[in-house]
Amino acid sequence: GAVVSQHPSWVICKSGTSVKIECRSLDFQATTMFWYRQFPKQSLMLMATSNEGSKATYEQGVEKDKFLINHASLTLSTLTVTSAHPEDSSFYICSASGAGVVGYTFGSGTRLTVV
Amino acid sequence: KQEVTQIPAALSVPEGENLVLNCSFTDSAIYNLQWFRQDPGKGLTSLLLIQSSQREQTSGRLNASLDKSSGRSTLYIAASQPGDSATYLCAVFGNEKLTFGTGTRLTIIP
Repeated sequence: GAVVSQHPSWVICKSGTSVKIECRSLDFQATTMFWYRQFPKQSLMLMATSNEGSKATYEQGVEKDKFLINHASLTLSTLTVTSAHPEDSSFYICSASGAGVVGYTFGSGTRLTVV
Repeated sequence: KQEVTQIPAALSVPEGENLVLNCSFTDSAIYNLQWFRQDPGKGLTSLLLIQSSQREQTSGRLNASLDKSSGRSTLYIAASQPGDSATYLCAVFGNEKLTFGTGTRLTIIP
């Protein structure tokens, strides 16, 4: 079945630094990738949608200059949290869809803690 | 704007019981609906996907139904096991967006 690999699974960084999270589709071409954020005991909130080779479309309220999304190839999308602050601490999950894949496949998530 | 609600928010049942989780959505113009399972601190595992033209899907002890006109879906779990304990999320895809429900935290008591 379709597999999406997300790395790292957890990361701790200092306030003011930047963190990159990678999302890879291992056995299919992900024409569209989605990035979600999840606060404790809450559901997933869509941050942005990215199509390969195009600029990401951000949801209202999500700062595109803070959360940089790159989808340069059909198998890789990255989310960079720039100048991270403690309030950016959260669980970030990517998902992907593509031709021949039914529904959406999710990565295992990244727990980001900013200290 | 699509809104997806899941009831109950939390549910505890003894092992072996059958149970039903509910999902409702406000905009019936959906392409499909998907049920996921999430273990604490983990990503999502897809359980069942129902296309808008379908009424139900089955996989093992799981059965999901969809009534698009009334904006409802149910996930039926038969003969529950402690390993079924997790948070269950439904998500609807429409208008090029996947919108998640609020989730039901399920605990199966041995």
